[in-house]
Amino acid sequence: NAGVTQTPKFRILKIGQSMTLQCAQDMNHNYMYWYRQDPGMGLKLIYYSVGAGITDKGEVPNGYNVSRSTTEDFPLRLELAAPSQTSVYFCASSYSVTPNSGNTIYFGEGSWLTVV
Amino acid sequence: TQLLEQSPQFLSIQEGENLTVYCNSSSVFSSLQWYRQEPGEGPVLLVTVVTGGEVKKLKRLTFQFGDARKDSSLHITAAQPGDTGLYLCAGFSPSGTYKYIFGTGTRLKVLA
Repeated sequence: NAGVTQTPKFRILKIGQSMTLQCAQDMNHNYMYWYRQDPGMGLKLIYYSVGAGITDKGEVPNGYNVSRSTTEDFPLRLELAAPSQTSVYFCASSYSVTPNSGNTIYFGEGSWLTVV
Repeated sequence: TQLLEQSPQFLSIQEGENLTVYCNSSSVFSSLQWYRQEPGEGPVLLVTVVTGGEVKKLKRLTFQFGDARKDSSLHITAAQPGDTGLYLCAGFSPSGTYKYIFGTGTRLKVLA
């Protein structure tokens, strides 16, 4: 099973450039999330989606945009990259919004982004 | 302001010592989950606590959910170097949305 696939794994951007981080899941999950994680810190929610065509802001949405045209894909776009966006980005998906003993949130392997 | 505050932020202890990590909020959570994350990898789920007052054990790790479901703790007995990592609590925001949020994190280093 592929699970949650993120690309690229590493990227260096110049200030002001734009790029899209791709995220795809093959588990037919309705709920998808984008997080950023700075060194030694917890994950901060950027955007999330509860289904195709529905997205909403998380804790730190400024400087980012998302779309959810299909259930499988949830790309994250950085417009006008800034050094403050240097971070590790994780995409995640879940079948249900009620975690219990039998439910799991699946994470991608992360995308390391450096803005110089 | 983080909805889920963890303490301590950093912890460095000797092998064999005991430790407790706390996850606190001013809001009620329907459930909380604990993760461990190693450098270069995504978080790995350790446990989910759902009922107020619930205690769950995973080998040397004991997780407790507060009676009011506003806080949780992770206690490690006889820590080992393999326990080294970033520990995170997480849960769905109590505001009624589907935001799944993480705590501020506790970085643990166990010295041999």
